[in-house]
Amino acid sequence: ETGVTQSPTHLIKTRGQQVTLRCSSQSGHNTVSWYQQALGQGPQFIFQYYREEENGRGNFPPRFSGLQFPNYSSELNVNALELDDSALYLCASSLAYNEQFFGPGTRLTVL
Amino acid sequence: QKEVEQNSGPLSVPEGAIASLNCTYSDRGSQSFFWYRQYSGKSPELIMSIYSNGDKEDGRFTAQLNKASQYVSLLIRDSQPSDSATYLCAVNIDNAGNMLTFGGGTRLMVKP
Repeated sequence: ETGVTQSPTHLIKTRGQQVTLRCSSQSGHNTVSWYQQALGQGPQFIFQYYREEENGRGNFPPRFSGLQFPNYSSELNVNALELDDSALYLCASSLAYNEQFFGPGTRLTVL
Repeated sequence: QKEVEQNSGPLSVPEGAIASLNCTYSDRGSQSFFWYRQYSGKSPELIMSIYSNGDKEDGRFTAQLNKASQYVSLLIRDSQPSDSATYLCAVNIDNAGNMLTFGGGTRLMVKP
């Protein structure tokens, strides 16, 4: 059984740029959730996708957007990057409303 | 504002002792509760889930849930230095969307 994978591992961008982060869900899982974790804090929910539809969204601006593909993999896109977007971005997969399992994360640094 | 609160620590315990980690939450409608372990520089790892009042045991870990008092706790028996990590409490507050709300985490240090 393959676990959750994310790419890239690390990324450095400058303010105003756009970034795309990718996630492959665990085999058999149809739901992907994205979280942002700033240093020293708990993860914060960005949004969730279930069967290619957005299924819930946290308190993040519209420049955070996402997609889920038919194979249940997912992308997180962030436009007009700001310094405060520097964080660990976590993808978690689950089977519908069951337990969520996290990937290794993508560390984004915005300069 | 729906919140999950944890003491940030660090909580320091000697090797072999019981570590007790606590978490309170604000939404009485919450139904699902989770404990994640996060080593420095790594992603959270699910170690326990609990859905009903009472205790749930898995190896050296016991999760305790009291919905009336709105708290959930994690006990780690026979603590080992490898248990040193940040422990995150997560609550599924919005059951319709399966959104997890996390506390800030408690840093546990187990000293040999």
